[in-house]
Amino acid sequence: EIVLTQSPGTLSLSPGERVTLSCRASQTVTSSNLAWYQQKPGQAPRLLIYGASSRATGIPDRFSGSGSGTDFTLTISRLEPEDFAVYYCQQYGSSPRTFGQGTKVEIK
Amino acid sequence: EVQLLESGGGLIHPGGSLRLSCSASGFTFSSYAMNWVRQAPGKGLEWVSSISGSSGSSHYADSVKGRFTISRDNSKNTLYLQMNSLKVEDTAIYYCARGSSGYYSPGDCWGQGALVTVSS
Repeated sequence: EIVLTQSPGTLSLSPGERVTLSCRASQTVTSSNLAWYQQKPGQAPRLLIYGASSRATGIPDRFSGSGSGTDFTLTISRLEPEDFAVYYCQQYGSSPRTFGQGTKVEIK
Repeated sequence: EVQLLESGGGLIHPGGSLRLSCSASGFTFSSYAMNWVRQAPGKGLEWVSSISGSSGSSHYADSVKGRFTISRDNSKNTLYLQMNSLKVEDTAIYYCARGSSGYYSPGDCWGQGALVTVSS
């Protein structure tokens, strides 16, 4: 089983700031099959990034993903008020398709 | 518009059984793999199970293997999760999610979730 470790656990930031979230895998993620999701309270997750760096349909270009192998990053270039949420990474290249524990981005 | 709607959640005693359904619309259901993902109260996301479009392939998390069964009826555009021998730790919101492309793909569309509470 591939274990995904996200850091930090919580980020306290202000609108307009740049955000970098980390997701580290315990072993190589097959073919960069790594996704990022955003989840707001009371809502289902929303796919942001797939294939480590491809934006899903309708996702603003302030969201970008990078990385390969075992180290992946989600960057939000400039935080908007609607971006305060919990972010999860997931590897879907092998079963079980594990999620990271999440990073909460909260308003400072 | 792509829509997924879960149903069948509720309160069940430990050891009991429950079947969740996920009704799909707005896309060719049989062409897509489908997934179940759950979230315990106040916790993170946990992948539960996946099934291919033709039902030829399926996988389960170790935590539910042997107790849960994923299935689909492409003629009814519906995904199912049969949950047996339920435990308190199975209490969660259960989401169905469409695989974006192929069996090993992320969930690009999610339902609103169905709450399952296992308690005596």
